[in-house]
Amino acid sequence: EAQVTQNPRYLITVTGKKLTVTCSQNMNHEYMSWYRQDPGLGLRQIYYSMNVEVTDKGDVPEGYKVSRKEKRNFPLILESPSPNQTSLYFCASSRGDWYEQYFGPGTRLTVT
Amino acid sequence: GDSVTQMEGPVTLSEEAFLTINCTYTATGYPSLFWYVQYPGEGLQLLLKATKADDKGSNKGFEATYRKETTSFHLEKGSVQVSDSAVYFCALSSYSGAGSYQLTFGKGTKLSVIP
Repeated sequence: EAQVTQNPRYLITVTGKKLTVTCSQNMNHEYMSWYRQDPGLGLRQIYYSMNVEVTDKGDVPEGYKVSRKEKRNFPLILESPSPNQTSLYFCASSRGDWYEQYFGPGTRLTVT
Repeated sequence: GDSVTQMEGPVTLSEEAFLTINCTYTATGYPSLFWYVQYPGEGLQLLLKATKADDKGSNKGFEATYRKETTSFHLEKGSVQVSDSAVYFCALSSYSGAGSYQLTFGKGTKLSVIP
């Protein structure tokens, strides 16, 4: 089954404790991206990757890092999480940035 | 920059009512337009799309027509069901230069359908 998986689905952590949210897709898609969803703000892109070893900033990259060492994986790293990063995070993949996105189920992160 | 404006919700309708969710956009060039749907507790999934002016996207009884003259892509359904309760996002993909495209989402419209 074609899918995008994210782990963990729920995470509660404390300020400053480094964390990684994993994202994996099995569709051999070149393009992957991370979004955060906040009430009243909709979806905002954090980072995206056009292919292996190619990443770029989206609209709200501050406080986040990403890497793309393999085509299928695109982890999101929060080196020092802060409460304003409490949000619902989605990973997505597609054949290219022109095409429709396939979204993961989301990761709800709470930073206290 | 590009932007997508969709009607604010929440929208509450009775079952079998007619649905319209307005979406207008600003973009340079010729964007592709999408509607995504997010059911409770799930990620977004593509509902329909249109890639050029006058195209009509349709799926699951939903329709939207790409209107370049009014820069709109309104979502419609003739008879909604309780199972259509979800958040609907309008989005566009447009060329941003250097071989890359920018995907821009609206803020979402929550639809609740009551029996």
